[in-house]
Amino acid sequence: NAGVTQTPKFQVLKTGQSMTLQCAQDMNHEYMSWYRQDPGMGLRLIHYSVGAGITDQGEVPNGYNVSRSTTEDFPLRLLSAAPSQTSVYFCASSSQVNRDTSYEQYFGPGTRLTVT
Amino acid sequence: DAKTTQPPSMDCAEGRAANLPCNHSTISGNEYVYWYRQIHSQGPQYIIHGLKNNETNEMASLIITEDRKSSTLILPHATLRDTAVYYCIVMRSSNYKLTFGKGTLLTVNP
Repeated sequence: NAGVTQTPKFQVLKTGQSMTLQCAQDMNHEYMSWYRQDPGMGLRLIHYSVGAGITDQGEVPNGYNVSRSTTEDFPLRLLSAAPSQTSVYFCASSSQVNRDTSYEQYFGPGTRLTVT
Repeated sequence: DAKTTQPPSMDCAEGRAANLPCNHSTISGNEYVYWYRQIHSQGPQYIIHGLKNNETNEMASLIITEDRKSSTLILPHATLRDTAVYYCIVMRSSNYKLTFGKGTLLTVNP
């Protein structure tokens, strides 16, 4: 298994440009999520999905869109890039949890985005 | 989900045990204690989790106090590759959303 993969690894955008960060997992995980990490900070949740066709907002969703058309893929779209979106973006996936069991989440290697 | 408190940094000599503390005094009965680590800007890596019993796996041991208000992650024989930021997270089993604090920067010295 490749686990969680993210592309690109690095990206430089100009203010106002749009782009899509790709995330894919081959573990048949129901749950996927996007986090951003700013320098010296912990990760903050942007959006998440508990299954194909289902998405919801996390802690910092403004300026980002997501969709989940397949179990494997969970792309993150920046609609109009701003310098405040300069960050490292991590995608994660997990098996579906239930009330009595809990599972670990697997993270991708990250995409380092700079907006000038 | 309950909040956690961790020291900002710790040092450990290579080959010695590293004991990383975490306070979670407001933990609820159905909340798990998770530990993740992040090595130099890589994606976070799961280490271990537990509910109320002590847990051990190939990476570490997790000791949870009887009242569940604190826990300790133990790396039994720390190596230089264990230098990382360690995050203690408390979360309900039905909740997918990890809430990361600033964690503890563990530096393993030769």
